[in-house]
Amino acid sequence: QKEVEQNSGPLSVPEGAIASLNCTYSDRVSQSFFWYRQYSGKSPELIMSIYSNGDKEDGRFTAQLNKASQYVSLLIRDSQPSDSATYLCAVNIGQGAQKLVFGQGTRLTINP
Amino acid sequence: EPEVTQTPSHQVTQMGQEVILRCVPISNHLYFYWYRQILGQKVEFLVSFYNNEISEKSEIFDDQFSVERPDGSNFTLKIRSTKLEDSAMYFCASPPGAGGLIGDEQFFGPGTRLTVL
Repeated sequence: QKEVEQNSGPLSVPEGAIASLNCTYSDRVSQSFFWYRQYSGKSPELIMSIYSNGDKEDGRFTAQLNKASQYVSLLIRDSQPSDSATYLCAVNIGQGAQKLVFGQGTRLTINP
Repeated sequence: EPEVTQTPSHQVTQMGQEVILRCVPISNHLYFYWYRQILGQKVEFLVSFYNNEISEKSEIFDDQFSVERPDGSNFTLKIRSTKLEDSAMYFCASPPGAGGLIGDEQFFGPGTRLTVL
């Protein structure tokens, strides 16, 4: 089983709609979860971190974490064409581990 | 958000040659990470480095790779004898400030694109 799994997409969403991105992870003791945005040819850019069960909102972004289901998601409200990118889910795997394990990323396209 | 810069932005080398990739933090960071991303693939952890020592490394980080902090500021990744399959984007990442907390956010530098011919 892969450590961090995401649907590779592409996910196509009309402008102004809500984009929903999902991620599952295998290690039950993982404590820290991150969403990065990566534009083509660029480096990953951190957009959200979440550590506790429930929702965390930052502007148009909401991260949701369910540790019992080993599931983390990212919602993007009022999607804009500039949100078109690959979204990477990253997890600190293992207790005390500092390294990030990434999913393969979901490519999101916002259609004007 | 702390800044991490990397040089060069693009390195082209011949197979078997040595390359040195550099990471330069803006402030006094103690923790550094190297990741790589082969074109079209996921970001992969290579090595973490704290206080001038490797704290963890992946199976990718074999004897051809080394890291050091030669002058207390720059942080380098050396590949001794490059292979074609080393062609990838190499990213340096660092948490803000002294770091060291479990779950630290990691901020990525712009990356170095390594092309091995």
